[in-house]
Amino acid sequence: NAGVMQNPRHLVRRRGQEARLRCSPMKGHSHVYWYRQLPEEGLKFMVYLQKENIIDESGMPKERFSAEFPKEGPSILRIQQVVRGDSAAYFCASSPRTRGSGETQYFGPGTRLLVL
Amino acid sequence: GQQVMQIPQYQHVQEGEDFTTYCNSSTTLSNIQWYKQRPGGHPVFLIQLVKSGEVKKQKRLTFQFGEAKKNSSLHITATQTTDVGTYFCAGSKTSYDKVIFGPGTSLSVIP
Repeated sequence: NAGVMQNPRHLVRRRGQEARLRCSPMKGHSHVYWYRQLPEEGLKFMVYLQKENIIDESGMPKERFSAEFPKEGPSILRIQQVVRGDSAAYFCASSPRTRGSGETQYFGPGTRLLVL
Repeated sequence: GQQVMQIPQYQHVQEGEDFTTYCNSSTTLSNIQWYKQRPGGHPVFLIQLVKSGEVKKQKRLTFQFGEAKKNSSLHITATQTTDVGTYFCAGSKTSYDKVIFGPGTSLSVIP
């Protein structure tokens, strides 16, 4: 049973370009979280999605950032017109959200974004 | 809004010493989870506690959930260099609320 997959693992972009990060949850998981982590810092919540629904996007900047989790295919975190401050590790986690034990999150290996 | 705090932020111990990190929530939690992130790696789920006063052990690691379900602790006995990493606690008010992570405790073990 494959774990959470993220690609690319490393992404280099120039200022002003778009970054598109993909996350394939574990099989059977219908909920996805995205987090951002700067070096030596904690996990900053960005967005929580269910298939075709955004449940909570309170941690995501209103401008330049968007996320989706379509009925088919991976979840996508999109950053438009990237700036140097967007350089960070972006982790995706999936959860089954079944009754009683659905809160456990399974993390992907992360995408390290570097903006030049 | 709900906040989850952890202390200490950093801890340096000599190999063989014990280590404890504490997690406190501003609200009652339905459950608490602990994760470990090795340097350069991604967070890995360690355990989930659900019941008030629950204590669980994994080899040298002991996890406890407070009676009021607002705090938790992770204790490592006789640390080893393989214990190096950042330990995060996380919890939610209900089974269907967003999970909130604490800021983590970074553990260094001096051989």
